[in-house]
Amino acid sequence: QVQLKESGPGLVQPSQTLSLTCTVSGFSLSSYGVIWVRQPPGKGLEWMGVLWGDGNTNYNSLFKSRMSITRDTSRSQVFLKMNNLQTEDTAMYFCARELWVYDYWGQGVMVTVSA
Amino acid sequence: DIQMTQSPPSLSASLGDKVTITCQASQNTKNYIAWYQQKPGKAPRLLIRFTSTLESGTPSRFSGSGSGRDYSFSISNVESEDIASYYCLQYVDLPRTFGGGTKLELK
Repeated sequence: QVQLKESGPGLVQPSQTLSLTCTVSGFSLSSYGVIWVRQPPGKGLEWMGVLWGDGNTNYNSLFKSRMSITRDTSRSQVFLKMNNLQTEDTAMYFCARELWVYDYWGQGVMVTVSA
Repeated sequence: DIQMTQSPPSLSASLGDKVTITCQASQNTKNYIAWYQQKPGKAPRLLIRFTSTLESGTPSRFSGSGSGRDYSFSISNVESEDIASYYCLQYVDLPRTFGGGTKLELK
């Protein structure tokens, strides 16, 4: 069955780089895209970017200058990197499968930016 | 970017009520609207795609409608398990954008 699972550090210091991994199973990264969405505590969902099945990417302009999404198809993993983290980047980060809409999601990983 | 204005931000309902949430887009989204349900501490769950197409497993008391810039989502007979937050999503253009969310609470 289709599954996605995010992993990464729960605590990041201000100005440091966030590195998250989304490990997928039950589908091929060459056939489906994967998106990243974040949700600050008590707030709404924010679309960050997508890695398409063909390997191309699109990013929200809010983050474009400091984030990248890459993958390792052999390991069924998608990576999110975002640099220069600030306290306002504290959020739950989700990955989800993309096929127009987002039908399968990971459980999310909480990232806190604090010294 | 397409802005999605969702209202109301919160809604109080009794069991058995009908509730309606609206999303207005800043431009025509050509029916490329999805609706998600999110419970605390959980990932969003896809309920409806393309304005009104229910996903497998979505109860028939949920419905969606609309066109152009204006869309709505309804629950016809609120049950306790429907207490959650709801979000619209436009997927006609990049970046995709979510509405601000509606928190449904029991009266």
